[in-house]
Amino acid sequence: SQKIEQNSEALNIQEGKTATLTCNYTNYSPAYLQWYRQDPGRGPVFLLLIRENEKEKRKERLKVTFDTTLKQSLFHITASQPADSATYLCALEGRDDKIIFGKGTRLHILP
Amino acid sequence: DAGVIQSPRHEVTEMGQEVTLRCKPISGHDYLFWYRQTMMRGLELLIYFNNNVPIDDSGMPEDRFSAKMPNASFSTLKIQPSEPRDSAVYFCASRSLYRDTEAFFGQGTRLTVV
Repeated sequence: SQKIEQNSEALNIQEGKTATLTCNYTNYSPAYLQWYRQDPGRGPVFLLLIRENEKEKRKERLKVTFDTTLKQSLFHITASQPADSATYLCALEGRDDKIIFGKGTRLHILP
Repeated sequence: DAGVIQSPRHEVTEMGQEVTLRCKPISGHDYLFWYRQTMMRGLELLIYFNNNVPIDDSGMPEDRFSAKMPNASFSTLKIQPSEPRDSAVYFCASRSLYRDTEAFFGQGTRLTVV
């Protein structure tokens, strides 16, 4: 069955450093990969989308890479700030338009 | 647009009672998704619709769960009868016709079944 794995343990990063989150998947060939941010008590909010034929996408301090051979995406936040502390969710969208999510990784940026 | 609107925000009910969760998607969006989120299982896709038609309900856990979308601006998720293990946060999300676009989520309904 389709499976999305994100680091279940919280990630603690010092302010100003680069935070790198990992998303691995199996038994799936997504057309798109998305990253969302979720704050406590709120719904997920979209950050970035990358297509299967793209290697890298950037938006301000965010960078996403997508390796369809390794079945892996890396999500980077450069010059991290305490306000970046949240849970980050990886999502895959297939050609059937179904969007499925990983369990997310909690990120703490330490001042 | 006010975004995706879900109601109620919180629901506490007794085991065995019927629960109805409601969702108003963003106007003009063609897709509507229902998810359930728990600490153990994360964000699970329950069912999704395209143009009011259910496309895939394979994530619906049991026959106790049902979802409808009578028109483009309204959807319901019903649990009958409810059980304590149904306690979770239920999210509704909508998306436009175009596949390479984001899904917009509502604030969620926190359901507690006692």
